[in-house]
Amino acid sequence: QKEVEQDPGPLSVPEGAIVSLNCTYSNSAFQYFMWYRQYSRKGPELLMYTYSSGNKEDGRFTAQVDKSSKYISLFIRDSQPSDSATYLCAMRTDSWGKLQFGAGTQVVVTP
Amino acid sequence: NAGVTQTPKFQVLKTGQSMTLQCAQDMNHEYMSWYRQDPGMGLRLIHYSVGAGITDQGEVPNGYNVSRSTTEDFPLRLLSAAPSQTSVYFCASSKIQGPNTEAFFGQGTRLTVV
Repeated sequence: QKEVEQDPGPLSVPEGAIVSLNCTYSNSAFQYFMWYRQYSRKGPELLMYTYSSGNKEDGRFTAQVDKSSKYISLFIRDSQPSDSATYLCAMRTDSWGKLQFGAGTQVVVTP
Repeated sequence: NAGVTQTPKFQVLKTGQSMTLQCAQDMNHEYMSWYRQDPGMGLRLIHYSVGAGITDQGEVPNGYNVSRSTTEDFPLRLLSAAPSQTSVYFCASSKIQGPNTEAFFGQGTRLTVV
């Protein structure tokens, strides 16, 4: 069983819809949680970072962490075609160092 | 501001050949790592380094070697390429200290072993 599970999709939504992505994990030692966005044929780039349970908002993006359920989510409001990418959840036990990634979910936002 | 630079971007190897994937960063980051990305598998850690002269194995180290002689460079060597090593390889770097140690990734090297 993988330490981090993520549905690979693809997830297709119309422009303006809310995109909901999630990951589950099995290692309770994970303390730091991230979402990376990866455009086709590019390297991943950090989108959201959090280390506590609850919600964190940044513009149209909201990251949610529920440590008791070992579940994290990313919500994208008012989705745009430019949001079409693969979204990878990642987590680590220390504040730096080894990242454990989910498989990534491909999101397609259609105009 | 170059960030993390990987070369080459594309490479085709024959089974049994060896090669080195180059990675350089100009952010004075202590931590550097190599990942491979395969469909449905996400990014898997191959090797990592916490500073010059210090390296360690990740999740999938077999068939790969690394060294870290300087802070800036972290090359990945394929000793005897196999078709199972066909993948996209990413190098990443980050600071060790600080509340948000973001990992910066290179653009990737697409490797095909035939």
